[in-house]
Amino acid sequence: EDQVTQSPEALRLQEGESSSLNCSYTVSGLRGLFWYRQDPGKGPEFLFTLYSAGEEKEKERLKATLTKKESFLHITAPKPEDSATYLCAVQAAGSARQLTFGSGTQLTVLP
Amino acid sequence: DTAVSQTPKYLVTQMGNDKSIKCEQNLGHDTMYWYKQDSKKFLKIMFSYNNKELIINETVPNRFSPKSPDKAHLNLHINSLELGDSAVYFCASSPGPGTRPFFGQGTRLTVV
Repeated sequence: EDQVTQSPEALRLQEGESSSLNCSYTVSGLRGLFWYRQDPGKGPEFLFTLYSAGEEKEKERLKATLTKKESFLHITAPKPEDSATYLCAVQAAGSARQLTFGSGTQLTVLP
Repeated sequence: DTAVSQTPKYLVTQMGNDKSIKCEQNLGHDTMYWYKQDSKKFLKIMFSYNNKELIINETVPNRFSPKSPDKAHLNLHINSLELGDSAVYFCASSPGPGTRPFFGQGTRLTVV
């Protein structure tokens, strides 16, 4: 069974204090790893898809990286508007191909 | 301009009632989904339809019945609501099976 574990559960940072969020996964053949951002009362919003170990993607202050066992979401010099829950999901190769989500990391950036 | 819209946004109802949540997407996608997000924030897929045909049906009580009248709509009907059904339900769509989903705003269901 595919599993996704995100850590930490919650993270509080001062504005400008860089950090990383972790997503560890076990899957029988990775088709893709997804990062989403979820604001309170809203649906998840897509950030990145990573497909193979060593791949990196960037968007503004966010950079996602992927290894064979985990993914990191690096946040450089965060701002209060980066506060949200960040969700990681894996998609296994195979006919079903639905996403398996982790429980997220709730990030709070203080001004 | 809303891509995936669901109604209502909030639903409070008593145990034993029957309720429906409606979902519409204007993205032209072929595949639609219902996900359930529990209090611990885990998002779990419940159902997936592709071109109005059911393709994923996870282990969900048969009190939950999805209906897709056309490619742009996927509604969720829940019979005999129970306290444990309280959660946020998200509708989503994607261009096809296995492509990344676009989520709606969610419906917070509270059963009292």
